Amino acid sequence: QLQLQESGPGQVKPSETLSLTCSVSGGSISSSSSSGYYWVWIRQPPGKGLEWIGGAYYSGSTYYNPSLKSRVAISVDTSKNQFSLKVSYVTAADTAVYYCARGHPSGMDVWGQGTTVTVSS
Amino acid sequence: QSALTQPASVSGSPGQSITISCTGSSSDVGGYNYVSWYQQHPGKAPKLMIYDVSKWPSGVSDRFSGSKSGNTASLTISGLQAEDEADYYCSSYTSSSTWVFGGGTKLTVL
Repeated sequence: QLQLQESGPGQVKPSETLSLTCSVSGGSISSSSSSGYYWVWIRQPPGKGLEWIGGAYYSGSTYYNPSLKSRVAISVDTSKNQFSLKVSYVTAADTAVYYCARGHPSGMDVWGQGTTVTVSS
Repeated sequence: QSALTQPASVSGSPGQSITISCTGSSSDVGGYNYVSWYQQHPGKAPKLMIYDVSKWPSGVSDRFSGSKSGNTASLTISGLQAEDEADYYCSSYTSSSTWVFGGGTKLTVL
Protein backbone atom coordinates (compact mmCIF):
# COMPACT_ATOMS: atom_id res chain seq x y z
CA GLN A 1 0.00 0.00 0.00
CA LEU A 2 1.48 3.28 -1.11
CA GLN A 3 2.22 5.72 1.71
CA LEU A 4 3.49 9.29 1.63
CA GLN A 5 5.23 11.15 4.45
CA GLU A 6 6.16 14.82 4.53
CA SER A 7 9.24 16.07 6.34
CA GLY A 8 10.97 19.38 6.84
CA PRO A 9 11.39 22.33 9.21
CA GLY A 10 8.32 23.35 11.15
CA GLN A 11 9.34 27.00 11.20
CA VAL A 12 10.84 29.25 8.54
CA LYS A 13 11.85 32.90 8.80
CA PRO A 14 10.21 35.53 6.56
CA SER A 15 11.97 36.04 3.21
CA GLU A 16 13.71 32.66 3.47
CA THR A 17 13.03 29.48 1.49
CA LEU A 18 10.67 26.76 2.71
CA SER A 19 11.88 23.27 1.79
CA LEU A 20 9.85 20.09 2.26
CA THR A 21 10.36 16.50 1.18
CA CYS A 22 7.78 13.80 0.60
CA SER A 23 9.03 10.22 1.02
CA VAL A 24 7.15 7.52 -0.87
CA SER A 25 6.98 3.98 0.54
CA GLY A 26 5.14 0.84 -0.44
CA GLY A 27 5.73 1.45 -4.13
CA SER A 28 8.00 3.31 -6.46
CA ILE A 29 7.55 6.74 -7.93
CA SER A 30 8.61 5.38 -11.29
CA SER A 31 6.00 2.59 -11.41
CA SER A 32 3.18 4.94 -10.41
CA SER A 33 4.32 7.45 -12.96
CA SER A 34 4.11 4.86 -15.73
CA SER A 35 0.36 4.75 -15.00
CA GLY A 36 -0.02 8.47 -15.54
CA TYR A 37 0.33 9.60 -11.95
CA TYR A 38 2.28 12.65 -10.91
CA TRP A 39 3.39 14.08 -7.59
CA VAL A 40 1.69 17.09 -6.06
CA TRP A 41 1.80 19.50 -3.16
CA ILE A 42 -1.28 21.06 -1.57
CA ARG A 43 -1.48 23.43 1.38
CA GLN A 44 -4.11 24.55 3.84
CA PRO A 45 -3.71 27.79 5.83
CA PRO A 46 -5.11 27.69 9.36
CA GLY A 47 -8.91 27.63 9.28
CA LYS A 48 -9.01 27.89 5.48
CA GLY A 49 -9.49 25.69 2.46
CA LEU A 50 -7.18 23.63 0.30
CA GLU A 51 -4.88 25.25 -2.24
CA TRP A 52 -3.16 23.27 -5.00
CA ILE A 53 0.47 24.38 -5.16
CA GLY A 54 1.79 22.33 -8.05
CA GLY A 55 2.87 18.99 -9.36
CA ALA A 56 5.67 17.22 -11.16
CA TYR A 57 5.98 14.15 -13.37
CA TYR A 58 8.98 11.93 -12.79
CA SER A 59 10.18 12.93 -16.23
CA GLY A 60 10.72 16.46 -14.93
CA SER A 61 7.66 18.24 -16.33
CA THR A 62 6.16 20.59 -13.77
CA TYR A 63 2.89 22.47 -13.40
CA TYR A 64 2.28 25.24 -10.88
CA ASN A 65 -0.56 27.30 -9.50
CA PRO A 66 -0.25 30.59 -11.42
CA SER A 67 -0.53 32.57 -8.19
CA LEU A 68 2.57 30.85 -6.76
CA LYS A 69 4.51 30.02 -9.90
CA SER A 70 7.21 32.65 -9.45
CA ARG A 71 8.19 31.35 -5.99
CA VAL A 72 7.68 27.58 -6.23
CA ALA A 73 9.78 24.67 -7.47
CA ILE A 74 8.87 20.96 -7.31
CA SER A 75 11.30 18.20 -8.18
CA VAL A 76 11.26 14.40 -8.22
CA ASP A 77 14.17 12.17 -7.17
CA THR A 78 13.44 8.64 -8.35
CA SER A 79 16.70 7.31 -6.88
CA LYS A 80 15.52 8.27 -3.39
CA ASN A 81 11.82 7.62 -4.13
CA GLN A 82 10.91 11.09 -2.94
CA PHE A 83 9.85 14.46 -4.23
CA SER A 84 10.39 17.96 -2.93
CA LEU A 85 8.88 21.41 -2.65
CA LYS A 86 10.65 24.73 -2.37
CA VAL A 87 8.85 28.01 -1.77
CA SER A 88 11.04 31.09 -1.82
CA TYR A 89 10.60 34.51 -0.20
CA VAL A 90 8.04 33.22 2.28
CA THR A 91 5.74 35.49 4.26
CA ALA A 92 3.20 34.87 7.02
CA ALA A 93 0.68 34.06 4.27
CA ASP A 94 2.66 30.89 3.55
CA THR A 95 1.93 29.53 7.03
CA ALA A 96 -0.09 26.36 6.45
CA VAL A 97 -0.33 22.61 6.71
CA TYR A 98 1.46 21.26 3.66
CA TYR A 99 0.33 17.96 2.14
CA CYS A 100 1.99 15.84 -0.50
CA ALA A 101 -0.16 13.57 -2.63
CA ARG A 102 -0.20 11.30 -5.66
CA GLY A 103 -2.12 12.98 -8.41
CA HIS A 104 -3.81 12.04 -11.63
CA PRO A 105 -6.26 14.05 -13.72
CA SER A 106 -8.93 11.82 -12.17
CA GLY A 107 -8.10 12.87 -8.63
CA MET A 108 -5.55 12.82 -5.84
CA ASP A 109 -5.85 9.39 -4.34
CA VAL A 110 -3.03 9.00 -1.80
CA TRP A 111 -2.17 11.76 0.68
CA GLY A 112 0.46 12.27 3.31
CA GLN A 113 -0.64 13.15 6.83
CA GLY A 114 0.49 16.76 6.42
CA THR A 115 3.15 18.86 8.07
CA THR A 116 2.67 22.26 9.66
CA VAL A 117 4.96 25.07 8.58
CA THR A 118 4.92 28.39 10.38
CA VAL A 119 6.56 31.47 8.94
CA SER A 120 7.83 33.56 11.82
CA SER A 121 10.95 35.34 12.90
CA GLN B 1 -7.16 30.39 -11.76
CA SER B 2 -10.23 31.08 -9.64
CA ALA B 3 -11.37 28.74 -6.90
CA LEU B 4 -14.48 26.71 -7.59
CA THR B 5 -17.61 27.92 -5.78
CA GLN B 6 -19.16 25.81 -3.04
CA PRO B 7 -21.70 26.71 -0.36
CA ALA B 8 -20.00 27.47 2.94
CA SER B 9 -22.23 25.11 4.88
CA VAL B 10 -24.99 22.55 4.57
CA SER B 11 -26.81 20.52 7.17
CA GLY B 12 -29.12 17.56 7.42
CA SER B 13 -30.57 15.09 9.88
CA PRO B 14 -29.49 11.47 10.16
CA GLY B 15 -31.02 9.38 7.39
CA GLN B 16 -31.68 12.36 5.14
CA SER B 17 -29.90 13.25 1.91
CA ILE B 18 -27.93 16.41 1.19
CA THR B 19 -26.33 17.80 -1.95
CA ILE B 20 -23.29 20.04 -2.21
CA SER B 21 -22.77 22.02 -5.39
CA CYS B 22 -19.49 23.02 -7.00
CA THR B 23 -19.50 25.63 -9.76
CA GLY B 24 -16.62 26.36 -12.06
CA SER B 25 -16.19 27.28 -15.69
CA SER B 26 -15.75 25.74 -19.11
CA SER B 27 -11.98 25.72 -18.43
CA ASP B 28 -12.32 23.31 -15.55
CA VAL B 29 -15.54 21.64 -14.34
CA GLY B 30 -17.39 22.09 -17.62
CA GLY B 31 -14.49 21.11 -19.82
CA TYR B 32 -13.46 17.78 -18.33
CA ASN B 33 -14.96 14.79 -16.58
CA TYR B 34 -12.18 15.13 -14.03
CA VAL B 35 -14.09 16.38 -10.98
CA SER B 36 -13.20 14.84 -7.65
CA TRP B 37 -14.52 15.23 -4.11
CA TYR B 38 -12.65 15.04 -0.82
CA GLN B 39 -13.79 14.55 2.77
CA GLN B 40 -11.73 16.09 5.55
CA HIS B 41 -12.29 15.53 9.23
CA PRO B 42 -10.72 18.00 11.68
CA GLY B 43 -6.98 17.58 11.96
CA LYS B 44 -6.88 14.89 9.29
CA ALA B 45 -5.71 14.73 5.71
CA PRO B 46 -8.34 14.90 2.97
CA LYS B 47 -9.71 11.61 1.66
CA LEU B 48 -10.74 11.01 -1.94
CA MET B 49 -14.45 10.14 -2.03
CA ILE B 50 -15.38 10.55 -5.71
CA TYR B 51 -13.25 10.77 -8.85
CA ASP B 52 -14.03 11.26 -12.53
CA VAL B 53 -17.28 13.02 -11.53
CA SER B 54 -19.08 9.92 -10.31
CA LYS B 55 -16.73 7.00 -9.62
CA TRP B 56 -15.95 5.52 -6.21
CA PRO B 57 -12.46 4.65 -5.01
CA SER B 58 -12.23 1.26 -3.38
CA GLY B 59 -13.69 1.27 0.12
CA VAL B 60 -15.87 4.37 -0.22
CA SER B 61 -19.54 3.94 0.59
CA ASP B 62 -22.04 4.14 -2.27
CA ARG B 63 -24.05 6.54 -0.10
CA PHE B 64 -21.77 9.12 -1.72
CA SER B 65 -22.55 9.92 -5.33
CA GLY B 66 -21.41 12.52 -7.81
CA SER B 67 -22.83 14.12 -10.92
CA LYS B 68 -22.22 17.04 -13.25
CA SER B 69 -24.28 19.32 -15.45
CA GLY B 70 -22.52 21.97 -17.47
CA ASN B 71 -20.14 23.92 -15.26
CA THR B 72 -21.62 22.64 -11.99
CA ALA B 73 -20.78 19.39 -10.24
CA SER B 74 -22.64 17.98 -7.26
CA LEU B 75 -21.97 15.59 -4.40
CA THR B 76 -24.94 13.86 -2.85
CA ILE B 77 -24.74 12.02 0.44
CA SER B 78 -27.73 9.79 1.15
CA GLY B 79 -28.67 8.18 4.44
CA LEU B 80 -26.70 10.76 6.41
CA GLN B 81 -24.71 9.40 9.33
CA ALA B 82 -23.02 11.18 12.20
CA GLU B 83 -19.58 10.25 10.85
CA ASP B 84 -20.32 12.11 7.61
CA GLU B 85 -19.95 15.38 9.50
CA ALA B 86 -16.82 16.91 7.95
CA ASP B 87 -15.58 19.45 5.45
CA TYR B 88 -16.01 18.57 1.79
CA TYR B 89 -13.98 19.95 -1.08
CA CYS B 90 -14.49 19.61 -4.79
CA SER B 91 -11.63 19.82 -7.24
CA SER B 92 -11.23 19.89 -10.98
CA TYR B 93 -8.47 19.39 -13.47
CA THR B 94 -8.06 22.47 -15.64
CA SER B 95 -7.14 23.42 -19.18
CA SER B 96 -3.73 24.56 -17.87
CA SER B 97 -2.90 21.03 -16.63
CA THR B 98 -3.33 22.28 -13.08
CA TRP B 99 -5.85 21.57 -10.35
CA VAL B 100 -8.24 23.95 -8.65
CA PHE B 101 -10.15 23.36 -5.43
CA GLY B 102 -13.45 24.70 -4.19
CA GLY B 103 -13.57 26.77 -1.05
CA GLY B 104 -14.98 23.89 0.97
CA THR B 105 -18.35 23.09 2.52
CA LYS B 106 -18.90 22.30 6.19
CA LEU B 107 -21.46 19.53 6.60
CA THR B 108 -23.29 19.45 9.91
CA VAL B 109 -25.34 16.40 10.84
CA LEU B 110 -28.07 17.67 13.14
